[in-house]
Amino acid sequence: DTGVSQDPRHKITKRGQNVTFRCDPISEHNRLYWYRQTLGQGPEFLTYFQNEAQLEKSRLLSDRFSAERPKGSFSTLEIQRTEQGDSAMYLCASSLGGGGRARQPQHFGDGTRLSIL
Amino acid sequence: AQTVTQSQPEMSVQEAETVTLSCTYDTSESDYYLFWYKQPPSRQMILVIRQEAYKQQNATENRFSVNFQKAAKSFSLKISDSQLGDAAMYFCAYRSAWGGTASKLTFGTGTRLQVTL
Repeated sequence: DTGVSQDPRHKITKRGQNVTFRCDPISEHNRLYWYRQTLGQGPEFLTYFQNEAQLEKSRLLSDRFSAERPKGSFSTLEIQRTEQGDSAMYLCASSLGGGGRARQPQHFGDGTRLSIL
Repeated sequence: AQTVTQSQPEMSVQEAETVTLSCTYDTSESDYYLFWYKQPPSRQMILVIRQEAYKQQNATENRFSVNFQKAAKSFSLKISDSQLGDAAMYFCAYRSAWGGTASKLTFGTGTRLQVTL
Protein backbone atom coordinates (compact mmCIF):
# COMPACT_ATOMS: atom_id res chain seq x y z
CA ASP A 1 0.00 0.00 0.00
CA THR A 2 1.84 3.05 -1.26
CA GLY A 3 -0.88 5.52 -0.34
CA VAL A 4 -2.49 8.22 -2.45
CA SER A 5 0.04 10.08 -4.55
CA GLN A 6 -0.41 13.59 -5.96
CA ASP A 7 1.74 15.45 -8.43
CA PRO A 8 3.03 18.13 -8.37
CA ARG A 9 3.30 19.09 -4.69
CA HIS A 10 3.44 22.76 -5.55
CA LYS A 11 2.45 24.72 -8.64
CA ILE A 12 3.02 28.41 -9.19
CA THR A 13 1.53 29.94 -12.29
CA LYS A 14 0.43 33.24 -13.72
CA ARG A 15 -3.20 34.23 -13.85
CA GLY A 16 -4.83 33.07 -17.05
CA GLN A 17 -2.67 29.99 -17.51
CA ASN A 18 -3.97 26.41 -17.52
CA VAL A 19 -2.81 23.90 -14.94
CA THR A 20 -3.27 20.16 -14.56
CA PHE A 21 -2.86 18.04 -11.45
CA ARG A 22 -2.57 14.29 -11.20
CA CYS A 23 -3.75 11.89 -8.52
CA ASP A 24 -2.84 8.21 -8.24
CA PRO A 25 -5.15 6.48 -5.76
CA ILE A 26 -4.43 3.40 -3.69
CA SER A 27 -4.36 0.66 -6.28
CA GLU A 28 -7.41 -1.35 -5.26
CA HIS A 29 -9.61 1.69 -4.56
CA ASN A 30 -12.42 2.24 -7.04
CA ARG A 31 -13.58 5.58 -5.65
CA LEU A 32 -11.67 8.81 -6.10
CA TYR A 33 -12.49 12.27 -4.75
CA TRP A 34 -11.18 15.78 -5.29
CA TYR A 35 -11.42 18.44 -2.59
CA ARG A 36 -10.23 22.03 -2.39
CA GLN A 37 -8.88 23.56 0.80
CA THR A 38 -8.28 27.27 1.19
CA LEU A 39 -6.20 28.75 4.00
CA GLY A 40 -7.82 28.35 7.39
CA GLN A 41 -10.74 26.34 6.06
CA GLY A 42 -11.73 22.70 5.91
CA PRO A 43 -11.63 20.84 2.61
CA GLU A 44 -14.61 21.35 0.31
CA PHE A 45 -15.85 18.63 -2.01
CA LEU A 46 -15.33 19.20 -5.72
CA THR A 47 -16.08 15.94 -7.52
CA TYR A 48 -16.17 12.18 -7.17
CA PHE A 49 -15.54 9.17 -9.43
CA GLN A 50 -16.52 5.59 -9.11
CA ASN A 51 -14.24 3.72 -11.46
CA GLU A 52 -14.17 5.91 -14.60
CA ALA A 53 -17.62 7.44 -14.09
CA GLN A 54 -17.86 10.95 -12.65
CA LEU A 55 -20.91 10.61 -10.40
CA GLU A 56 -21.11 13.96 -8.66
CA LYS A 57 -19.85 17.48 -9.19
CA SER A 58 -20.07 20.34 -6.71
CA ARG A 59 -21.35 23.76 -7.67
CA LEU A 60 -17.82 24.91 -6.78
CA LEU A 61 -16.63 23.18 -9.94
CA SER A 62 -17.08 25.95 -12.47
CA ASP A 63 -16.86 25.47 -16.23
CA ARG A 64 -13.14 26.20 -16.04
CA PHE A 65 -12.59 23.02 -14.05
CA SER A 66 -12.60 19.55 -15.56
CA ALA A 67 -11.71 16.21 -14.04
CA GLU A 68 -11.15 12.88 -15.68
CA ARG A 69 -10.40 9.33 -14.67
CA PRO A 70 -10.08 7.68 -18.06
CA LYS A 71 -9.29 4.10 -17.10
CA GLY A 72 -10.59 4.07 -13.57
CA SER A 73 -7.11 4.38 -12.15
CA PHE A 74 -5.35 7.77 -11.93
CA SER A 75 -7.26 11.03 -12.24
CA THR A 76 -6.44 14.49 -13.53
CA LEU A 77 -7.91 17.83 -12.51
CA GLU A 78 -7.47 20.67 -14.99
CA ILE A 79 -8.13 24.33 -14.34
CA GLN A 80 -8.33 26.57 -17.40
CA ARG A 81 -7.73 30.32 -17.38
CA THR A 82 -6.71 30.34 -13.73
CA GLU A 83 -7.86 33.16 -11.46
CA GLN A 84 -6.54 34.49 -8.15
CA GLY A 85 -9.38 32.77 -6.33
CA ASP A 86 -8.17 29.40 -7.52
CA SER A 87 -5.20 29.59 -5.16
CA ALA A 88 -5.71 26.70 -2.74
CA MET A 89 -4.60 23.22 -1.77
CA TYR A 90 -6.18 20.59 -4.01
CA LEU A 91 -6.59 17.29 -2.20
CA CYS A 92 -7.26 13.89 -3.67
CA ALA A 93 -8.68 10.99 -1.70
CA SER A 94 -9.59 7.41 -2.51
CA SER A 95 -11.64 4.63 -0.97
CA LEU A 96 -13.18 1.25 -1.62
CA GLY A 97 -16.88 1.34 -2.28
CA GLY A 98 -19.87 -0.05 -4.06
CA GLY A 99 -23.57 -0.34 -3.51
CA GLY A 100 -24.83 -0.22 0.02
CA ARG A 101 -23.16 1.30 3.07
CA ALA A 102 -20.27 3.67 2.42
CA ARG A 103 -18.29 1.97 5.16
CA GLN A 104 -14.74 2.47 3.98
CA PRO A 105 -12.86 5.62 5.01
CA GLN A 106 -11.25 7.96 2.54
CA HIS A 107 -7.46 8.09 2.40
CA PHE A 108 -5.94 11.42 1.44
CA GLY A 109 -2.87 12.39 -0.53
CA ASP A 110 -0.45 15.18 0.39
CA GLY A 111 -2.23 17.61 -1.90
CA THR A 112 -1.12 20.02 -4.62
CA ARG A 113 -0.69 23.61 -3.49
CA LEU A 114 -1.59 26.03 -6.28
CA SER A 115 -0.44 29.63 -6.15
CA ILE A 116 -1.65 32.12 -8.75
CA LEU A 117 0.59 35.14 -9.32
CA ALA B 1 -27.63 19.80 3.12
CA GLN B 2 -25.45 18.76 6.01
CA THR B 3 -23.28 21.23 7.90
CA VAL B 4 -20.46 20.72 10.38
CA THR B 5 -19.45 23.37 12.92
CA GLN B 6 -16.25 23.55 14.93
CA SER B 7 -16.50 26.55 17.24
CA GLN B 8 -12.95 26.41 18.62
CA PRO B 9 -10.44 27.81 16.09
CA GLU B 10 -7.52 27.09 18.44
CA MET B 11 -6.90 25.02 21.53
CA SER B 12 -3.84 24.50 23.67
CA VAL B 13 -2.95 21.63 25.98
CA GLN B 14 0.06 20.76 28.08
CA GLU B 15 1.91 17.58 27.35
CA ALA B 16 0.40 14.58 29.20
CA GLU B 17 -2.85 16.44 29.85
CA THR B 18 -6.30 15.83 28.34
CA VAL B 19 -8.06 18.06 25.85
CA THR B 20 -11.52 17.94 24.26
CA LEU B 21 -12.29 19.33 20.82
CA SER B 22 -15.92 20.17 20.04
CA CYS B 23 -17.98 19.52 16.94
CA THR B 24 -21.66 19.92 16.16
CA TYR B 25 -23.44 19.00 12.97
CA ASP B 26 -26.78 19.37 11.33
CA THR B 27 -28.51 16.70 9.27
CA SER B 28 -31.95 15.30 8.60
CA GLU B 29 -30.52 11.82 8.06
CA SER B 30 -30.56 9.10 10.69
CA ASP B 31 -27.78 6.93 9.30
CA TYR B 32 -24.37 8.45 8.80
CA TYR B 33 -20.71 8.41 9.81
CA LEU B 34 -18.73 11.00 11.70
CA PHE B 35 -14.96 11.32 11.54
CA TRP B 36 -12.09 13.18 13.09
CA TYR B 37 -9.16 13.79 10.78
CA LYS B 38 -5.75 15.16 11.77
CA GLN B 39 -3.73 17.36 9.42
CA PRO B 40 -0.19 18.11 10.62
CA PRO B 41 1.50 21.16 9.05
CA SER B 42 2.35 20.47 5.40
CA ARG B 43 1.42 16.84 5.76
CA GLN B 44 -1.45 14.70 4.64
CA MET B 45 -4.82 14.32 6.31
CA ILE B 46 -4.94 11.23 8.52
CA LEU B 47 -8.04 9.52 9.88
CA VAL B 48 -8.01 9.57 13.69
CA ILE B 49 -11.31 7.98 14.60
CA ARG B 50 -14.70 7.08 13.11
CA GLN B 51 -18.17 6.77 14.62
CA GLU B 52 -21.18 5.06 13.06
CA ALA B 53 -24.38 6.85 13.96
CA TYR B 54 -26.37 3.69 14.57
CA LYS B 55 -23.87 2.51 17.19
CA GLN B 56 -24.55 3.88 20.65
CA GLN B 57 -21.13 2.96 21.96
CA ASN B 58 -18.57 5.72 21.65
CA ALA B 59 -15.57 4.88 19.48
CA THR B 60 -12.09 4.73 20.98
CA GLU B 61 -8.64 4.41 19.41
CA ASN B 62 -5.86 4.25 21.96
CA ARG B 63 -5.57 7.77 23.45
CA PHE B 64 -8.39 9.11 21.29
CA SER B 65 -12.06 8.77 22.16
CA VAL B 66 -15.29 10.46 21.16
CA ASN B 67 -18.41 11.58 22.95
CA PHE B 68 -21.21 11.05 20.44
CA GLN B 69 -24.55 12.58 21.40
CA LYS B 70 -26.88 11.81 18.52
CA ALA B 71 -29.91 13.69 19.80
CA ALA B 72 -27.84 16.79 20.45
CA LYS B 73 -25.93 16.29 17.15
CA SER B 74 -22.67 16.64 19.00
CA PHE B 75 -19.43 14.76 18.36
CA SER B 76 -16.45 15.76 20.50
CA LEU B 77 -12.94 14.31 20.43
CA LYS B 78 -11.00 13.67 23.63
CA ILE B 79 -7.24 13.28 23.47
CA SER B 80 -5.73 11.80 26.61
CA ASP B 81 -2.08 11.96 27.64
CA SER B 82 -1.37 14.55 24.94
CA GLN B 83 1.92 14.27 23.11
CA LEU B 84 3.92 16.81 21.10
CA GLY B 85 3.10 14.82 17.97
CA ASP B 86 -0.60 15.51 18.49
CA ALA B 87 -0.08 19.13 17.47
CA ALA B 88 -2.02 19.59 14.24
CA MET B 89 -5.21 20.88 12.68
CA TYR B 90 -8.14 18.64 13.58
CA PHE B 91 -11.16 18.42 11.31
CA CYS B 92 -14.55 16.98 12.13
CA ALA B 93 -16.31 15.49 9.10
CA TYR B 94 -19.69 13.99 8.19
CA ARG B 95 -20.64 11.45 5.57
CA SER B 96 -23.93 9.81 4.71
CA ALA B 97 -23.94 6.07 5.37
CA TRP B 98 -25.12 5.02 1.96
CA GLY B 99 -22.89 5.06 -1.07
CA GLY B 100 -23.33 6.42 -4.54
CA THR B 101 -23.71 10.16 -4.63
CA ALA B 102 -23.72 10.43 -0.85
CA SER B 103 -20.06 9.48 -0.52
CA LYS B 104 -18.55 12.93 -0.08
CA LEU B 105 -17.20 14.22 3.21
CA THR B 106 -18.46 17.48 4.65
CA PHE B 107 -15.81 19.10 6.86
CA GLY B 108 -15.86 21.67 9.61
CA THR B 109 -13.46 24.62 9.60
CA GLY B 110 -10.99 22.89 11.90
CA THR B 111 -9.41 23.38 15.32
CA ARG B 112 -5.70 24.04 15.59
CA LEU B 113 -4.28 22.15 18.57
CA GLN B 114 -1.07 23.30 20.19
CA VAL B 115 0.76 21.05 22.63
CA THR B 116 3.08 22.76 25.09
CA LEU B 117 5.76 21.38 27.37
